[in-house]
Amino acid sequence: DAEITQSPRHKITETGRQVTLACHQTWNHNNMFWYRQDLGHGLRLIHYSYGVQDTNKGEVSDGYSVSRSNTEDLPLTLESAASSQTSVYFCASSGRERGTDTQYFGPGTRLTVL
Amino acid sequence: RKEVEQDPGPFNVPEGATVAFNCTYSNSASQSFFWYRQDCRKEPKLLMSVYSSGNEDGRFTAQLNRASQYISLLIRDSKLSDSATYLCVVNPPNTDKLIFGTGTRLQVFP
Repeated sequence: DAEITQSPRHKITETGRQVTLACHQTWNHNNMFWYRQDLGHGLRLIHYSYGVQDTNKGEVSDGYSVSRSNTEDLPLTLESAASSQTSVYFCASSGRERGTDTQYFGPGTRLTVL
Repeated sequence: RKEVEQDPGPFNVPEGATVAFNCTYSNSASQSFFWYRQDCRKEPKLLMSVYSSGNEDGRFTAQLNRASQYISLLIRDSKLSDSATYLCVVNPPNTDKLIFGTGTRLQVFP
């Protein structure tokens, strides 16, 4: 069955370190998205990609970067982790199925920055 | 004004009750609408799409009112397993991005 996975599931790091969160999907979807979820804010879009070599900034992109070298993967990098980036991170993918943009989410990565 | 607004709840209802959630959206040109369900510490999962004509899936009914720019979700005969956060989701025009509401929490008690 097609799926979307994230790794690691939990990560503790220190302020200033570079961290990369992995996202891998086997849906063969062109679209991939990274969100963070914090209490009181809901899901906020960090970066997204509509295909290989395409990346775009979302509403909370400062301090994050992504790259899309193939269809299956969209790793999210925190260049220099800050305590404000402690959050739960979800990756999602979507394709044009039945004319809608249903997004399928990975299980999430819980990141703590000390 | 937020693009998608929901009452955060919590809605505490007994088993068997009927409960309704509403959601409003700001962009009148929005094309697609969804309800997602999110269990505690889990990822959001699609519950149902919302069509202009309204749609029903078992105990769940979704309605769209374009004139008033709101979406509703009705849950009949609530089960304990319905306890979760329900996210209202809107697809704005000319994009594949989705805008998520902050969610409405439902707690069904015995």
